[in-house]
Amino acid sequence: DSGVTQTPKHLITATGQRVTLRCSPRSGDLSVYWYQQSLDQGLQFLIQYYNGEERAKGNILERFSAQQFPDLHSELNLSSLELGDSALYFCASSGGDRAYNEQFFGPGTRLTVL
Amino acid sequence: AQKVTQAQTEISVVEKEDVTLDCVYETRDTTYYLFWYKQPPSGELVFLIRRNSFDEQNEISGRYSWNFQKSTSSFNFTITASQVVDSAVYFCALSGNNAGNMLTFGGGTRLMVKP
Repeated sequence: DSGVTQTPKHLITATGQRVTLRCSPRSGDLSVYWYQQSLDQGLQFLIQYYNGEERAKGNILERFSAQQFPDLHSELNLSSLELGDSALYFCASSGGDRAYNEQFFGPGTRLTVL
Repeated sequence: AQKVTQAQTEISVVEKEDVTLDCVYETRDTTYYLFWYKQPPSGELVFLIRRNSFDEQNEISGRYSWNFQKSTSSFNFTITASQVVDSAVYFCALSGNNAGNMLTFGGGTRLMVKP
């Protein structure tokens, strides 16, 4: 158990809908990262927050947004969902925002868009 | 831009065989960090090791060992005396000070250990 929690574990929804994925980092960790794992794109970095502020953006679509709250939990919002958004979404946390900080991953949320 | 290549998409071995998973990386950062993660069938990503670019000492942890060679930009992972529980997808990843501290992952190697 990495100490990172993600809810829900599974999510099934329809095209055009909006969903929110939630992540609670390990106790004391200030950085939260979101990654998407799909069959065609592999594991891709989406976005990072550090202590409430956005730190880095990767291949995140404009239809996706995220935030980190004062209690350090983070939410990833996916809107106008398309079939291609079906994937496993991981949240990871680390103690700092440096390249050497190990990132510990949550169990993931499997999103299925029908 | 950073890139990680795991040329072996799938490896199948029989229990107790040794197996090496290859990882080759590209980066313009002078200081960077290499990682290995394991993704068992249950789906979570488990951190295994971090290696700094300025430390080329190889590392051994039980049946696991890692060979970092800067000259060939490789960070290979060897499992000695493989066990069925080692069956998983293994990912090599890279982060760098200038490219941002997000992880760039390779495509993964699926290891199947048969009894």
